Amino acid sequence: GQNIDQPTEMTATEGAIVQINCTYQTSGFNGLFWYQQHAGEAPTFLSYNVLDGLEEKGRFSSFLSRSKGYSYLLLKELQMKDSASYLCAVAPIYNFNKFYFGSGTKLNVKP
Amino acid sequence: ETGVTQTPRHLVMGMTNKKSLKCEQHLGHNAMYWYKQSAKKPLELMFVYSLEERVENNSVPSRFSPECPNSSHLFLHLHTLQPEDSALYLCASSPGTSGSNEQFFGPGTRLTVL
Repeated sequence: GQNIDQPTEMTATEGAIVQINCTYQTSGFNGLFWYQQHAGEAPTFLSYNVLDGLEEKGRFSSFLSRSKGYSYLLLKELQMKDSASYLCAVAPIYNFNKFYFGSGTKLNVKP
Repeated sequence: ETGVTQTPRHLVMGMTNKKSLKCEQHLGHNAMYWYKQSAKKPLELMFVYSLEERVENNSVPSRFSPECPNSSHLFLHLHTLQPEDSALYLCASSPGTSGSNEQFFGPGTRLTVL
C-alpha cells in the first residue's frame, strides 16, 4: 500500500521561512512532486525530485531523502499569496502514470 | 484556449439523474486522469487513460463511467449517484511516461448530489 503523511495546517508570518514536511511509504519510488492549491482552484505544479538532495526554484526549494522516505518544501520570503494548500505526491516505480497524494498542508500566511 | 478545461464548473443533480463531465486538454499530452477531491481527504485517483486506453481503474463504483474518445478529450458519465459522491472532480493531463511526467490540472467540477 501507499502511505503519505503531511501536517494538516501551518501558520507563518509574511517575510519568514517555512518548511513543510512530507513522509512516505510506497511500494517502489519513481519521483516526488509538490503541488500548490489555492482555495477553489486547481492544483499547480511546483517541483519534482527524483534524486536525493535539494532542488531550488526561486523562493521555493524541495528536498528529498529516498533512504528516509522524506521530503520537505521550503518557502522563503513568504508572501500573503503563498497562503494555500501544499500537496505532496509520490509516483511509484512500477506505474509512472499513477500518483498518490497526501492530504495536503494548509499554510496560513499572516501579516 | 490553453491548458486543461473542464465543463461544467458546477453541477447539482438528483440521485436518479444522468449527467456527464467533460475535460479537454490543449497541451498535446498522451495521458489523462480523473481525480476526486473531498473535503480534508487526499486527492483520489479514479481513472487513468494513456493514449486513449484505460490503464488504471482504482476500484471506482460502476455508477462512474469514463470515456476517452481521443487523446484530447475525457468524459466522466454519472448515473444514480449517492450524496457521498458530492465532491470536486478534477481532470488532469500529462505528457506520458517520460521525464518528470508533471500533471496539469483543470479547474474542476464542483458536484453536489441531492
